[in-house]
Amino acid sequence: DAGVIQSPRHEVTEMGQEVTLRCKPISGHDYLFWYRQTMMRGLELLIYFNNNVPIDDSGMPEDRFSAKMPNASFSTLKIQPSEPRDSAVYFCASSFSTRALRTDTQYFGPGTRLTVL
Amino acid sequence: TQLLEQSPQFLSIQEGENLTVYCNSSSVFSSLQWYRQEPGEGPVLLVTVVTGGEVKKLKRLTFQFGDARKDSSLHITAAQPGDTGLYLCAGADWGAQKLVFGQGTRLTINP
Repeated sequence: DAGVIQSPRHEVTEMGQEVTLRCKPISGHDYLFWYRQTMMRGLELLIYFNNNVPIDDSGMPEDRFSAKMPNASFSTLKIQPSEPRDSAVYFCASSFSTRALRTDTQYFGPGTRLTVL
Repeated sequence: TQLLEQSPQFLSIQEGENLTVYCNSSSVFSSLQWYRQEPGEGPVLLVTVVTGGEVKKLKRLTFQFGDARKDSSLHITAAQPGDTGLYLCAGADWGAQKLVFGQGTRLTINP
C-alpha cells in the first residue's frame, strides 16, 4: 500500500497568491483529515470528511481557506489569498471506521511544507 | 474546549537513561492515542489506550491511561538514539474520529 500521498512536498509562494495542496487517501478509508502543524500551535485539525462529506470545519482559520473532496480518492486544501502567517506544514490523514465505538488509527501523509513570503 | 497539555516540551538525555512523558487534561476522554513523529514525516500511531487504568507495553515503551481518563503517561526504559522524535498524545470522545492533539514532547537521545 502506498500510504497517504500528498503533493507538493514543498511549496514556496508569495503573499497574495493562491495555493492548492493535494491529498490522496489510502484506498478504502472513509475518513479524511486536514491538519496544520507549527511550532507555536502544534498540530491543529482544520477540517475532516466522512464519505466525501465535510463533517467539521470549525478549525478552518478563516474564509481564505477552503477544502473539497470530490471523490473518495482525492481532496484539496486551497488558500486564497495566502499570507505569511499561513506558513506551516500541512498534513493529510485518513482512517477506516471500524464502527466499534472507538477512535480508529489515523494514517498521516508526509506533509506539505508551505512557505509564504 | 478540550485541551491536552504535555510535559516536558523538550527533553534531552543520554542513551540508557529512563524517562517519562506526561499528557494531562481537565477533560475526560474515551480513548487516548500516542503518536511518534520523525523529521520530515507525518505522525505514526504507537498505541491506543481505552480503559481507565490501562497499561500497555511496546518493547521498552510503557503507556498508562489514568484511572479518571484525564491523563496518560509514556515511560521509556533504557532509551536509545532511535527513540529520538516528537511524541504526541491525542484524545478522543467516545466513538468520535476527531482527535485533539497535545503540543508534543521533543525527545533527543544522545549516544
